[in-house]
Amino acid sequence: EVQLAESGGGLVQPGGSLRLSCAASGFTFSTYWMAWVRQAPGKGLEWVANIKEDGGERFYLDSVRGRFTISRDNAKNSLSLQMNSLRVEDTAIYYCAREVPGATAYDSWGQGALVTVSS
Amino acid sequence: EIVMTQSPATLSVSPGERVTLSCRASQSVSSNLAWYQQKPGQAPRLLIYGASTRATGITARISGSGSGTEFTLTISSLQSEDFAVYYCQHYKDWPRVTFGGGTKVEIK
Repeated sequence: EVQLAESGGGLVQPGGSLRLSCAASGFTFSTYWMAWVRQAPGKGLEWVANIKEDGGERFYLDSVRGRFTISRDNAKNSLSLQMNSLRVEDTAIYYCAREVPGATAYDSWGQGALVTVSS
Repeated sequence: EIVMTQSPATLSVSPGERVTLSCRASQSVSSNLAWYQQKPGQAPRLLIYGASTRATGITARISGSGSGTEFTLTISSLQSEDFAVYYCQHYKDWPRVTFGGGTKVEIK
């Protein structure tokens, strides 16, 4: 069974940093693109970043580029999102998600990690 | 950026009824379109990708159609477990994707 489990969420002040992790199991992690998708409270879904199977390509939402870094450790079946210079508008549930091969749709999701940026 | 518009925002439906949800793209996305279902407190679940391909384990009561700029998600006979919010998402501008604002299907 495919499982994705996020951790690392919490409350942080504006300008602060936080690192999210996603532990993957039940599939060959190293053969899938992976992504982070967020959802602000009561709002819709927003793609944040994704990363190629071998980590060689990474892409970001314009508003987080230069502040967030997506990475992966295929030996540990782990995906990460380092978030720096956090803003109030980054407050959201952050989901890690697996991409369907050949289509940037997400067929498996974690339960989400809540990140609250507030003073 | 391609904008995805879903209508209506809320749909009130009785169990057993057929429901059709709409999603419109601001420019052609070909068949690069996915649909998700999200229930309160849960992560989204992929229903359809490639505009009409059902994801693994998705009931045949759910179907997707369309191409270009106009898409529909149809649930042939609404069951209690179908009351949720539905999102469309394009992936024409791979790797960047955008989602629609969602349609809430509620019990009438």
